Amino acid sequence: GDSVTQMEGPVTLSEEAFLTINCTYTATGYPSLFWYVQYPGEGLQLLLKATKADDKGSNKGFEATYRKETTSFHLEKGSVQVSDSAVYFCALGGAMNRDDKIIFGKGTRLHILP
Amino acid sequence: GAVVSQHPSRVICKSGTSVKIECRSLDFQATTMFWYRQFPKQSLMLMATSNEGSKATYEQGVEKDKFLINHASLTLSTLTVTSAHPEDSSFYICSATPGLAVSSYNEQFFGPGTRLTVL
Repeated sequence: GDSVTQMEGPVTLSEEAFLTINCTYTATGYPSLFWYVQYPGEGLQLLLKATKADDKGSNKGFEATYRKETTSFHLEKGSVQVSDSAVYFCALGGAMNRDDKIIFGKGTRLHILP
Repeated sequence: GAVVSQHPSRVICKSGTSVKIECRSLDFQATTMFWYRQFPKQSLMLMATSNEGSKATYEQGVEKDKFLINHASLTLSTLTVTSAHPEDSSFYICSATPGLAVSSYNEQFFGPGTRLTVL
């Protein structure tokens, strides 16, 4: 079945460091791909998304490109801030007119040190 | 837009009591709502999918008599944890899908979560 694998954390970086969180997926058809962020004690917020191959999602300095050939959707940010400390979930969802379910990776906890 | 609320945000109850959690879509009509459970430092586990006016579809291993879901309207779904026990303590998160009229890919919008502690 469909699945998402993301790098295990925690990931600890210093402020202004470059961030990469790897995510790969297995899916039939053409899923949409998402990165969600969960700040301490809160629910999930959609960080960015891509709905087809080669799309690049971006938001708040974060980017991820939908790579069909490598089945990947790695999250990157050039210069992280302390406020980026959170848990990041890679996820995939059905394409239009398909199952609405979202499948989440296990999450990667990110700690940014000042 | 596309805001989902949950109430209460935090609840503490005694073992054996029932607890109801509400999930509301504030500015859109949700054709489908989802209920997730999140254990500490773990990912979200989908518990059930509910569509307005019909019975919820539960994921394998989720007790439907334990976790009652009612989707009474296009803006409200409730999860009732019946006869709660300490092992039911968890973070419960709902999400809602507005349907293709609003989102071209059935994006889910998440509530802020409800922390349930059963003593």
